[in-house]
Amino acid sequence: DIVMTQGALPNPVPSGESASITCQSSKSLLHSNGKTYLNWYLQRPGQSPQLLIYWMSTRASGVSDRFSGSGSGTDFTLKISSVEAEDVGVYYCQQFLEYPTFGAGTKLELK
Amino acid sequence: EVQLVESGGGLVQPGASLKLSCVASGFTFSDYWMSWVRQTPGKTMEWIGDIKYDGSYTNYAPSLKNRFTISRDNAKSTLYLQMSNVRSEDTATYYCTRGWYYWGQGVMVTVSS
Repeated sequence: DIVMTQGALPNPVPSGESASITCQSSKSLLHSNGKTYLNWYLQRPGQSPQLLIYWMSTRASGVSDRFSGSGSGTDFTLKISSVEAEDVGVYYCQQFLEYPTFGAGTKLELK
Repeated sequence: EVQLVESGGGLVQPGASLKLSCVASGFTFSDYWMSWVRQTPGKTMEWIGDIKYDGSYTNYAPSLKNRFTISRDNAKSTLYLQMSNVRSEDTATYYCTRGWYYWGQGVMVTVSS
């Protein structure tokens, strides 16, 4: 299994500040085709997960440009610029290079 | 509008079987791979498996492949998850997904005597 390890946030995050969530994979997610097989999701309270970022850095349709993804083959970051109330929830990274696995989630709380 | 609506959950005894359904609408169901993902009460996310658009191929998480079976009926635009010999650790909310972008609202399964 590829293990995904997520970092914590220094909650609560002040509204308008930026926040960065880290994720590390136990194996490189960079494929020989040049794509990195990593997704980011946000799960708001009481809702289903929402895809934010795919291929490590491509924003999903309808996602605010305040969200950006970056990283290498094993270390990844989701950055949220100017955090807003609607950003509250749990963020998950997920790899799909092999059978898909998820990180444990990182909770974002707003100050 | 793409919609995925799961059903069939509830309280089930350990060792029993249960079949979940996911009715799809708003797209041509037979054109897409479909997946099942579950989330435990502790919020752990686990991919269960997926099925090819024509139902001819399935993949499963290694820990679940012996007890769970994914199937589909393209004529009914419906995805299924057959769960057998369920255990307390199968207690979770079960989601069907199309790609990673579209998710259903989820259906809860509780395994308890």
